[in-house]
Amino acid sequence: DGGITQSPKYLFRKEGQNVTLSCEQNLNHDAMYWYRQDPGQGLRLIYYSQIVNDFQKGDIAEGYSVSREKKESFPLTVTSAQKNPTAFYLCASTSLGQGSNYGYTFGSGTRLTVV
Amino acid sequence: RKEVEQDPGPFNVPEGATVAFNCTYSNSASQSFFWYRQDCRKEPKLLMSVYSSGNEDGRFTAQLNRASQYISLLIRDSKLSDSATYLCVVNSNNAGNNRKLIWGLGTSLAVNP
Repeated sequence: DGGITQSPKYLFRKEGQNVTLSCEQNLNHDAMYWYRQDPGQGLRLIYYSQIVNDFQKGDIAEGYSVSREKKESFPLTVTSAQKNPTAFYLCASTSLGQGSNYGYTFGSGTRLTVV
Repeated sequence: RKEVEQDPGPFNVPEGATVAFNCTYSNSASQSFFWYRQDCRKEPKLLMSVYSSGNEDGRFTAQLNRASQYISLLIRDSKLSDSATYLCVVNSNNAGNNRKLIWGLGTSLAVNP
């Protein structure tokens, strides 16, 4: 079945440590996105990519980095510069082809906790 | 003014009730509109796209009013399983950035037995 897979489901990070969240899709989608959601809050865009080897900052990119070396993969690194990284991280993808309605498909998310 | 605004609720309704959610958006050039559903501690899932002529999917009806920049979702015969947060989503349609969706904060619905 086609879908978008995030791993791990739960991740614990020590202070000062970098961690990388994985996001892989086999939907042949062009664009991929990373969001952060805090309890009781809406989705906030971290980074997005519409084509391989290119990506743009979202609204809260500070302390995060991404890469898009393959169409299927869009990993997110949470660096030690991110002062409050505990949150629910969601990866999404969408097709940009003609006729697409641009609705997103989401992965099941990664819960990151700083210990 | 927020780009997408929703009443946060919570809406508490009995089973079988009809409930309506409203949403307003600020960018008159927006062209794609959606309702997503998010269960507690889960990812958002697409409930339905919203078309200009209005559309229905079983107990769910979505309406779009471009003149008023207003979207609605009507749920008839509410079920316990409808309890969730409903997110209003709009395509930003800005030049060079026209694949970005703008998310409302969501409206919380609790359907009670």
